[in-house]
Amino acid sequence: SQQGEEDPQALSIQEGENATMNCSYKTSINNLQWYRQNSGRGLVHLILIRSNEREKHSGRLRVTLDTSKKSSSLLITASRAADTASYFCATDLGGADGLTFGKGTHLIIQP
Amino acid sequence: EAEVAQSPRYKITEKSQAVAFWCDPISGHATLYWYRQILGQGPELLVQFQDESVVDDSQLPKDRFSAERLKGVDSTLKIQPAELGDSAMYLCASMGMGNSPLHFGNGTRLTVT
Repeated sequence: SQQGEEDPQALSIQEGENATMNCSYKTSINNLQWYRQNSGRGLVHLILIRSNEREKHSGRLRVTLDTSKKSSSLLITASRAADTASYFCATDLGGADGLTFGKGTHLIIQP
Repeated sequence: EAEVAQSPRYKITEKSQAVAFWCDPISGHATLYWYRQILGQGPELLVQFQDESVVDDSQLPKDRFSAERLKGVDSTLKIQPAELGDSAMYLCASMGMGNSPLHFGNGTRLTVT
């Protein structure tokens, strides 16, 4: 079963605009991670936020985590055509379990 | 930067045939995962190894799927017999120490006809 669920399922914006994707999850987590997947390729890790953190930045990426609402958001600022990809949140429950991925948000950046 | 290697990149097979996928993780990564990703969905964990031992294979359809990592380095995932519903991307990932991020290979795209 999939713990995380991204919203929206698909998002199309103009180049230069900001893109926001949301992730909701069901159970307490150790950390939450965001990954990007270009078509036909493997997933690439973007950012990890621990359960005791509320916000994290990496370049044009900003991730927030609200453990009381069991939700996270990924903001990509000043989008570029190369940001076109699917974005997945993944929850780590701690212990020996692997990551559980959501269904992803497909982002299209229009030039 | 070191990468997770997977082969083949694409595989087309007829139903009821056997198929095998290979993964070579990043050197030194003790933890290895096999995920299955159906088109338009997120990856779903099939099996997790710690060195040569299976840690979690609760989602592996053991009547037809098997996975091994004999020397705790590279790994093979086998399907026998393949069914139409097995058509998917099979992704291998490895992880270093602690709760570090996963490093994924580019996957094997399986089509069962």
